[in-house]
This record gives sequence, C-alpha cells and structure tokens, in this order.
Amino acid sequence: GQNIDQPTEMTATEGAIVQINCTYQTSGFNGLFWYQQHAGEAPTFLSYNVLDGLEEKGRFSSFLSRSKGYSYLLLKELQMKDSASYLCAASDSNYQLIWGAGTKLIIKP
Amino acid sequence: DGGITQSPKYLFRKEGQNVTLSCEQNLNHDAMYWYRQDPGQGLRLIYYSQIVNDFQKGDIAEGYSVSREKKESFPLTVTSAQKNPTAFYLCATEEPGLEAGELFFGEGSRLTVL
Repeated sequence: GQNIDQPTEMTATEGAIVQINCTYQTSGFNGLFWYQQHAGEAPTFLSYNVLDGLEEKGRFSSFLSRSKGYSYLLLKELQMKDSASYLCAASDSNYQLIWGAGTKLIIKP
Repeated sequence: DGGITQSPKYLFRKEGQNVTLSCEQNLNHDAMYWYRQDPGQGLRLIYYSQIVNDFQKGDIAEGYSVSREKKESFPLTVTSAQKNPTAFYLCATEEPGLEAGELFFGEGSRLTVL
C-alpha cells in the first residue's frame, strides 16, 4: 500500500534549526511536496523535490533521497510564526498526492 | 485578487440533511480538487475534476457528490449517506506545469453535524 510517515509533533526554540523527516512508500513516484498549514487555515506550498539532493529557499530547505524513500524539511533561524503543521505529500504514478498526517511544530521563545 | 473562495466557512447540519459547500476560483486553473481533513490524518481526496463537465472519484467519494458545470466552480454536496461528515473540507486548484501537485487551497469549510 501507499504510506507517508512523519512525526506527529516536534518542539524547537526560537532562533534554532529544526529538521522534520518524512518517509514514503508509493506506487511510482513523481515528486515530494512540503506544505505549511497554520491552525485553522489552508495549507500553503513550500517546496517540491523530484531529484535527489537539497533545494534551498531562504530559511527553508528540502532534501530528497529517492533510493531511501526519504525527505526532510529543514527550517533555520526559527521564528514564532513558523509554529504550524508541516505536511509531507508524495506524488504517485498517477500524479495523485498521498499525504502524511502532518507534523505539528511548536516554537518556544 | 486571484484566489479560491470557499463558503460557508462554518456550517452546522442536522443528521439526515444534505449540505452543499461552495468553491469558486478565478485563477483560470483547469484542475480542481476536494479534500477532507480529520485530526491526526492526512488529507484524503474526495473528488477531482481535470476539466469542465468531467470529474472523478477520489479515495473516499462515498456519500459525496460534485458537479463541474463551469470552470470557475466545483461545489461539493455532502449527502445524508455520508456516515461521519464532521470534518474540515478543503477545495484546491492545480496550476498546470512541471511541478504537478503544487496546489492552491481555499480557506476551508468546517462542517459539524449535530
């Protein structure tokens, strides 16, 4: 079956760095997405990886290893506004997204 | 401004009633999606439409119905056949291009069955 695993909750300190991991098993693979979702709001797109390696976008970076079925989202210089849930989603052979349950990130001062 | 508008934001329903959630977009995107979000679970696809007058069932279509008569509109009806309809419903569109899967979401509709 198809499956996405990511930690349920993580806590980090303002100004620090946090890495949110995601492992996936899908029928075929057409890329890995990360979305940010603040409580009660809609998800917003953060990043997309289809090739192995690291993609950097400002304070956020995303990494993919296709051979390991593994990705992580790295957040640097954490700010209080980064408190949110981070959703990992893999695109399968039909380009349908398989979603993880999300990682709730709590930032403490 | 371009975007996706979902309404109502909050909706209460009695058991046995059908309700329709509205989703309107002015992004000129062909593909539209309805997802359901429950606590502790990933987004689950209810229905999707790649083009006007065509739509496909997702993973959890039972108890739901949709229509796509206009490019801008993709309403979702939650019928009385849906056994556990209380959830957060998200409508999304997809920008065509290489990064298929980059979705734009509406603000969501929270349905509570009393």
